[in-house]
Parts: sequence; C-alpha cells; structure tokens
Amino acid sequence: GIQVEQSPPDLILQEGANSTLRCNFSDSVNNLQWFHQNPWGQLINLFYIPSGTKQNGRLSATTVATERYSLLYISSSQTTDSGVYFCAPRTIGQAGTALIFGKGTTLSVSS
Amino acid sequence: GAVVSQHPSWVICKSGTSVKIECRSLDFQATTMFWYRQFPKQSLMLMATSNEGSKATYEQGVEKDKFLINHASLTLSTLTVTSAHPEDSSFYICSAMGLKTRRGPTYEQYFGPGTRLTVT
Repeated sequence: GIQVEQSPPDLILQEGANSTLRCNFSDSVNNLQWFHQNPWGQLINLFYIPSGTKQNGRLSATTVATERYSLLYISSSQTTDSGVYFCAPRTIGQAGTALIFGKGTTLSVSS
Repeated sequence: GAVVSQHPSWVICKSGTSVKIECRSLDFQATTMFWYRQFPKQSLMLMATSNEGSKATYEQGVEKDKFLINHASLTLSTLTVTSAHPEDSSFYICSAMGLKTRRGPTYEQYFGPGTRLTVT
C-alpha cells in the first residue's frame, strides 16, 4: 500500500512564527487531505487538496502530485494551532478506498 | 454541511461484554464508511471499509468476528466490539464518503468526533 511520511515529527514554535509541514507519499493519488486533531481527538478538516494550492486564512497547502508531496504552511502561529497535524492521501484508481494516514506532526506553540 | 456524528462519545464496559458504536452521516448519503482506531500518541489505523448493503472489507490483522460492522443504510454504520478485552481499549473514529455533490463527484472523507472505549 501507499507509504506516507510526514516531517518533522515534532515542532516547537514561538507564537507568531511561521512553519512548513511536509508530507511525502509513495504512489499517485486522487485525494489528499490535511487534518488538525484537537486535544479531544476530533479531526478538523483543513484542506482537501489532491493537487494545486489552497489558502484558508493563516493556513495554506500545496500538493505537487507529480512529485508526490504536499506542504502545509502555517503563518503567524497561535497557541490554538497546537496539536497533531495529519496528512492523508488516497491512491489513485481506488475510488472506494480509505485515506491512509501519516504518523503526523505534533506542533507545540508557546506564548 | 458534511457532518458525521458518532454515539456514544465515550463508553466504559467490563471485559467480556459487547459494545456498539454508531456512525451517522447527518446531511449527506454516504455510500462508503470507514472505521479507524487510534492508540495514544499514534496515528489512525484503518480497520475496515463498509459499503451500504454489502459486507465490510477488513484490513489485515483485524478480526472480523470481533469487530462486527453493519452498514444498513446510506446514513448509518455500526461497529460492534464483541467480547471486549482491555487491549481493545482505544479511540474509534468513523469516516464517511459521499461521492456526489452539486459540483460533481468528490472523494473527500468526513470524520466523526470519535468514541473513546475503555474496557475494564
């Protein structure tokens, strides 16, 4: 199956700093989603981004499907951004199959 | 839109008993639902995929007789943990995928809030 690698595994930032999280995947994909898991376990959909670039406030994401990677940018980080960020792609040609999750990046933002 | 609910949000049960977890898509029809489990400090691991009206497909290493999945309608899937043991204690998360939107097909998955199971 598809292999998903996220980096860095842990990230510590001061409030106001910018960061880039990376996701590499081993196969061609027809879907890729980024999630933020809050302290209660709820997965918050950040982006549905099989290709291209999207922005939502302080967050933006870029997926370069041909090179098999995706990036999540967090600008002007806030303490509420703390948590685990997951990248989850789905292999192309398998429309009914599930997203496969990377191990995540644990972000800690201090004030 | 695209809300997925789970019930219960947490449950404590005794070893040997069975627990049923419900997953509902509230405002869309989910042709496919997925069940994941997550242990502390770990990622989500896919357990099974279920399509409405057909048997679930289980991932390697997941016991289908222990984790019974029923996808009876386009808005409801249930996971029953049978004869639960302490090692089954985990965070169970369901996800639903509805292929049709006004703008065309989408493969976006929507996740429920999760169910925390503790087996004593």
